[in-house]
Amino acid sequence: SAVISQKPSRDICQRGTSLTIQCQVDSQVTMMFWYRQQPGQSLTLIATANQGSEATYESGFVIDKFPISRPNLTFSTLTVSNLSPEDSSIYLCSARPPGLAGNEQFFGPGTRLTVL
Amino acid sequence: DQQVKQNSPSLSVQEGRISILNCDYTNSMFDYFLWYKKYPAEGPTFLISISSIKDKNEDGRFTVFLNKSAKHLSLHIVPSQPGDSAVYFCAAKGNFGNEKLTFGTGTRLTIIP
Repeated sequence: SAVISQKPSRDICQRGTSLTIQCQVDSQVTMMFWYRQQPGQSLTLIATANQGSEATYESGFVIDKFPISRPNLTFSTLTVSNLSPEDSSIYLCSARPPGLAGNEQFFGPGTRLTVL
Repeated sequence: DQQVKQNSPSLSVQEGRISILNCDYTNSMFDYFLWYKKYPAEGPTFLISISSIKDKNEDGRFTVFLNKSAKHLSLHIVPSQPGDSAVYFCAAKGNFGNEKLTFGTGTRLTIIP
């Protein structure tokens, strides 16, 4: 398994500002993933963050709104830009540790964002 | 387009009995399925998975069954314990050349002491 931490755990932000979420993994991983869980909804993949290359975004998510950094094999950040109340969600990062036989991903505790 | 569906938003089960959580999918390209458990204010925790080449996988109190022809999987928990009260998500991964997991909307399981 992998231990994944996120900062901040929660935040309340004003409309039009931005929030940067940090994700730290306790082992080196090739890919890290950012998900969003809107209230009462399932988890939706925003993007896959590969070290040394541009993030790969899913349909409906764009780099200008959700810029991602991946400076090394244990760390990534997700910025949610130009916030609106519709961005109020839980944002989760995950990673798939190397050497696993299966396809399971391990998740951080999430960041609960409320936009006023 | 919800490709992974959990049609029961909630389920209540007596302690000691069997809990059965169901999940249906529509995309025949999915070839790997996972169950996660989520407590409030925590991230999802991996429980058990199954590859499409199998129809059953068991790990302690947890068993996952896969019926490919029906595009249906289920998670059995027996015996159910109060600590099992949580939201359960099924997820699927396809042979698409990426690691994307597609999640269902979750089922809230409550174990009644």
